[in-house]
Amino acid sequence: EAGVAQSPRYKIIEKRQSVAFWCNPISGHATLYWYQQILGQGPKLLIQFQNNGVVDDSQLPKDRFSAERLKGVDSTLKIQPAKLEDSAVYLCASSLIQGQNIQYFGAGTRLSVL
Amino acid sequence: QKEVEQDPGPLSVPEGAIVSLNCTYSNSAFQYFMWYRQYSRKGPELLMYTYSSGNKEDGRFTAQVDKSSKYISLFIRDSQPSDSATYLCAMSASGNQFYFGTGTSLTVIP
Repeated sequence: EAGVAQSPRYKIIEKRQSVAFWCNPISGHATLYWYQQILGQGPKLLIQFQNNGVVDDSQLPKDRFSAERLKGVDSTLKIQPAKLEDSAVYLCASSLIQGQNIQYFGAGTRLSVL
Repeated sequence: QKEVEQDPGPLSVPEGAIVSLNCTYSNSAFQYFMWYRQYSRKGPELLMYTYSSGNKEDGRFTAQVDKSSKYISLFIRDSQPSDSATYLCAMSASGNQFYFGTGTSLTVIP
């Protein structure tokens, strides 16, 4: 079974630039999560999708972050414009059904904002 | 006060030692408790999960939950160099939103 795929693995941008990350969850997984993991901290949930609908985006900085999950499969997370404090690893995870505790994580995208 | 507190370490032990990793929490509604292992430059991988209180064992790993003390533990017996990683605890009240600890960095020295 293929795991959660994320790209790119690394991205370096300057502040005020835009960036987008892509996630392909495990086939058949209805729930998709985006997390931000700052160095030395645990993952923080940014947004959760159930199929193509948003379940929870309470911690998403909506003035600069946006996410979509068209057709309930792949998802993209965008930052526009980026700030220095956005430097982090962005992790995508998926689970079979909402409320199921086994989340499978991708390797993440490491973002450096200079 | 943070939802979940975890000592970041780093923790360094000799091969074969018993390792104890711990988290405390403040939200008494939490009932799903998980431990993830994260190798460098990789995503977290689920190791153990427990519902409510009690113990759960899987090979060399044992997870314990004490809801009365709001305290969870992960024990690793006969630790191996391959156990060197960051260990994250995570908790949820409903099974939807998860709260992660900061992670404990573990090094097992051959």
